[in-house]
Amino acid sequence: SQKIEQNSEALNIQEGKTATLTCNYTNYSPAYLQWYRQDPGRGPVFLLLIRENEKEKRKERLKVTFDTTLKQSLFHITASQPADSATYLCALVLQTSYDKVIFGPGTSLSVIP
Amino acid sequence: GAGVSQSPSNKVTEKGKDVELRCDPISGHTALYWYRQSLGQGLEFLIYFQGNSAPDKSGLPSDRFSAERTGGSVSTLTIQRTQQEDSAVYLCASSLVFGRATYEQYFGPGTRLTVT
Repeated sequence: SQKIEQNSEALNIQEGKTATLTCNYTNYSPAYLQWYRQDPGRGPVFLLLIRENEKEKRKERLKVTFDTTLKQSLFHITASQPADSATYLCALVLQTSYDKVIFGPGTSLSVIP
Repeated sequence: GAGVSQSPSNKVTEKGKDVELRCDPISGHTALYWYRQSLGQGLEFLIYFQGNSAPDKSGLPSDRFSAERTGGSVSTLTIQRTQQEDSAVYLCASSLVFGRATYEQYFGPGTRLTVT
């Protein structure tokens, strides 16, 4: 069956450390993978997109890797700050007749001062 | 500029009543998506619009759910004869679509629906 899994447990890290979030998928062939941030009571906000032929993408303190052999993406936040505390969602983009986006369940991150 | 807006922000309704949820996408965005998010869960895809047509309705949970989009802009999601399991946050998103290129989705704040 098809599924997307993210860290099942909430992640708590100390301010200044690097947070690493995992997204694994099964029986999908995504063309792209996206990461979103969601704060309580708000809609998700797009952060980064990485294509299937890209290994790594960076944006400021964020880094995403994409391994289509392992069917896994890793999302890193370096020099984490309390303001980074949120739920992070990975999303697979399947190119059918349009871009169908399948979201993972999300990982809750808390950065402790 | 204005983002995606949704109304109402909160809706409490009695079981068996019909509800209409509205989404105003970003101007010029041709693609519009509806999702449902239950407490502590991920986003569940409901329906996608390209312009006014809905090529993918596969996510609608039952025939009590319907959606339309007019003028390539505003969309309404209608739930008839609401049930308690319909309680969730309903999120709308819009994006630019050119051919098969992918653009990020811009989400609205959601409508929190509570069925009592």
